[in-house]
Amino acid sequence: RKEVEQDPGPFNVPEGATVAFNCTYSNSASQSFFWYRQDCRKEPKLLMSVYSSGNEDGRFTAQLNRASQYISLLIRDSKLSDSATYLCVVKGSTGGFKTIFGAGTRLFVKA
Amino acid sequence: DTAVSQTPKYLVTQMGNDKSIKCEQNLGHDTMYWYKQDSKKFLKIMFSYNNKELIINETVPNRFSPKSPDKAHLNLHINSLELGDSAVYFCASSQLDRGPLQYFGPGTRLTVT
Repeated sequence: RKEVEQDPGPFNVPEGATVAFNCTYSNSASQSFFWYRQDCRKEPKLLMSVYSSGNEDGRFTAQLNRASQYISLLIRDSKLSDSATYLCVVKGSTGGFKTIFGAGTRLFVKA
Repeated sequence: DTAVSQTPKYLVTQMGNDKSIKCEQNLGHDTMYWYKQDSKKFLKIMFSYNNKELIINETVPNRFSPKSPDKAHLNLHINSLELGDSAVYFCASSQLDRGPLQYFGPGTRLTVT
């Protein structure tokens, strides 16, 4: 089982749609969780951290379920500029603070 | 101002050659990383240095040797390049005591022919 698993997609959605991405992780001792965004041929950039209580940043909502070892990202009112690959990222508190990246979910938002 | 910079951006070379990729960060961070992103887009950590000390060393061939002359620099030297080394290599940095957020460089696209 991969340490961090994501549905690779691609997700093809029209502008204005709501889309949800899921991610599962295998290490129950993981401490920190993030969503990064990576545009084609660019470096990954932090989109948002994920907190147990759930958190929202504009059109983006992230949720964490520690019991199920599951993370989600919801994008409302999709924009063309949301087209990218979304990486689920999990970090431990031991082992040198190793960061594990999921393989990413590709999103295409079409006009 | 570029926070994390890498040189070169593109590197095309033949099998068997030795090459280096340089990384510099001007964020004052104490930790730097090298990641490899292959054609399947998996981003995998290779090495991490904290205050010039190696703290993460994944299962990477010993043809890859990182060197950190100071906290702001982490270079990657690769000996005897192989076709399978073709990938995008990303450098990143973070400040460990401020949380795990990492800032990535723009990447170096290495093609081995």
